[in-house]
Amino acid sequence: LAKTTQPISMDSYEGQEVNITCSHNNIATNDYITWYQQFPSQGPRFIIQGYKTKVTNEVASLFIPADRKSSTLSLPRVSLSDTAVYYCLEVGSGAGSYQLTFGKGTKLSVIP
Amino acid sequence: EAQVTQNPRYLITVTGKKLTVTCSQNMNHEYMSWYRQDPGLGLRQIYYSMNVEVTDKGDVPEGYKVSRKEKRNFPLILESPSPNQTSLYFCASSARDRVYNEQFFGPGTRLTVL
Repeated sequence: LAKTTQPISMDSYEGQEVNITCSHNNIATNDYITWYQQFPSQGPRFIIQGYKTKVTNEVASLFIPADRKSSTLSLPRVSLSDTAVYYCLEVGSGAGSYQLTFGKGTKLSVIP
Repeated sequence: EAQVTQNPRYLITVTGKKLTVTCSQNMNHEYMSWYRQDPGLGLRQIYYSMNVEVTDKGDVPEGYKVSRKEKRNFPLILESPSPNQTSLYFCASSARDRVYNEQFFGPGTRLTVL
């Protein structure tokens, strides 16, 4: 059973900033929030991970509020190649935390 | 090149005929796992392994077996496949102390059981 809740789908025009929000109502203290991207017929690919506040890399930004009950993946100026399914996960960092649970993800469609 | 490989990439078989899907990684990762992906259900974890000879069940282990005799290999075994195991399968690996950081996924194996 997925631990997180996220929208099933989103549409965006090319060049716009896209924000995908995920709910983490029961996140554990030692869990990290991790986002993966999956293109059709390919395995998921790690995008970004954070614990609290804001994390930015060359691909995306991740915003996590102080209460950690939600997270927002921000994709700046999307292009057609960003059309994919995006998954948010809660991943434990403690001893014995090796099971990963993916939800259904958010299907992002970028429109020309 | 650091990668996770799976074989075969595509397989059509019949009910009851034992099959093995191989998974190999060249990154010296300790952690490996198998997922299946079905339309509308996302990815569901089948089994995972924290190290050689150490395996544990994921969310949907019924009908599957795994073994981890070598660090680099983690085969998925279907002793008696059934049509409800028709799915897209992914193998993944990560360094043990970074399992919460990044999983590296293979290209997938599309299995059809008739």
